[in-house]
Amino acid sequence: AQSVTQLDSHVSVSEGTPVLLRCNYSSSYSPSLFWYVQHPNKGLQLLLKYTSAATLVKGINGFEAEFKKSETSFHLTKPSAHMSDAAEYFCVVSERNTGRRALTFGSGTRLQVQP
Amino acid sequence: DAGVTQSPTHLIKTRGQQVTLRCSPKSGHDTVSWYQQALGQGPQFIFQYYEEEERQRGNFPDRFSGHQFPNYSSELNVNALLLGDSALYLCASSLVQGGETQYFGPGTRLLVL
Repeated sequence: AQSVTQLDSHVSVSEGTPVLLRCNYSSSYSPSLFWYVQHPNKGLQLLLKYTSAATLVKGINGFEAEFKKSETSFHLTKPSAHMSDAAEYFCVVSERNTGRRALTFGSGTRLQVQP
Repeated sequence: DAGVTQSPTHLIKTRGQQVTLRCSPKSGHDTVSWYQQALGQGPQFIFQYYEEEERQRGNFPDRFSGHQFPNYSSELNVNALLLGDSALYLCASSLVQGGETQYFGPGTRLLVL
């Protein structure tokens, strides 16, 4: 079984300040982990993914995430927020190399960016 | 290169009716997954199709069924619609050989009255 907990339902930052979106996961198998972003009335866009290579993963638009097995965490960060970053962010887990490909989503974190 | 496409974009049905949603995967992809996203929640996995067969299924009743065609496109059918079936239905495509990354379409928003 696998699950994801996103620790904050809402995060508000000022433009130009750092962003931290927190995610803890649970998986019976070695996990693959993803962050997706969803802008209002849009589909899901892949930001970045971890699949057992480097533990620090760089994604699009300046986002990065660090896989910490000991803490079962995969927090998303960005050094400087931009107004266009305002959206819903989902942390996602899947079971690597098991043939079961279903993605399990967290409940989402809504990021607000204040001018 | 076209990404994942879905049709229709919006749909309104009444309770008890049946609905069919359609998905064309990203070029070169052979696997299609369907997800239901209720308002204010994260998407939930419905099922996945590969080689025209259902390979994995989430915790959804038999009212939800699907099909994959030889060109890899897919349909999601929902029978006996309930008010609670109102949601955004997302299709995602991937390659069975090549990792777990799934690419999502824009979704179909279904409203059941």
